[in-house]
Amino acid sequence: QLQLQESGPGLVKPSETLSLTCTVSGGSISSSSYYWGWIRQPPGKGLEWIGSIYYSGSTYYNPSLKSRVTISVDTSKNQFSLKLSSVTAADTAVYYCARGLSKRIHFDYWGQGTLVTVSS
Amino acid sequence: EIVLTQSPATLSLSPGERATLSCRASQSVSSYLAWYQQKPGQAPRLLIYDASNRATGIPARFSGSGSGTDFTLTISSLEPEDFAVYYCQQRSNASWTFGQGTKVEIK
Repeated sequence: QLQLQESGPGLVKPSETLSLTCTVSGGSISSSSYYWGWIRQPPGKGLEWIGSIYYSGSTYYNPSLKSRVTISVDTSKNQFSLKLSSVTAADTAVYYCARGLSKRIHFDYWGQGTLVTVSS
Repeated sequence: EIVLTQSPATLSLSPGERATLSCRASQSVSSYLAWYQQKPGQAPRLLIYDASNRATGIPARFSGSGSGTDFTLTISSLEPEDFAVYYCQQRSNASWTFGQGTKVEIK
């Protein structure tokens, strides 16, 4: 059974960089059959796609966040990561990692999510 | 960027009733639309993909329909565990977007 688990600091100061890691177990992150994504949800609000990364290394980012986002993969650790720079209180959210099937548009497996609060 | 608009924002129904949720895209997405269910404190769960295909383990009371710009998620007879928030989602030009959600609440 595939499992995804987000990890990282729960509190980040304004103007600093938010860094999260998603550890994938029960399957290989290196498979060309999948892509990997980050989605966030501010408290009490809806879902916002942050970005996705494919096996080839190609990355796609939400245009509204593109200048601040970097997503990367570490195949040796079966992990992928999110970095979001220059954070503000508006970046406070539950951050989810998820898996998508190549050539499909949906995310079929999700992590449980991790709350990141931006505050001094 | 394709915008997904869900309606209504809130649907108040009783168990056993039929729920009809709408998702409208600002441009055609063909049949490339998914639906998710989210309960408080939980991650979203995939219900429907490619507009009308149920994901693994999803009960038959959930069905999806539509193509182009207009899509519908139908829950034929609401069970107590179906009261939740539902989101539609699409991907176009390597950009994924979600609708703002419809909350199905107990009347």
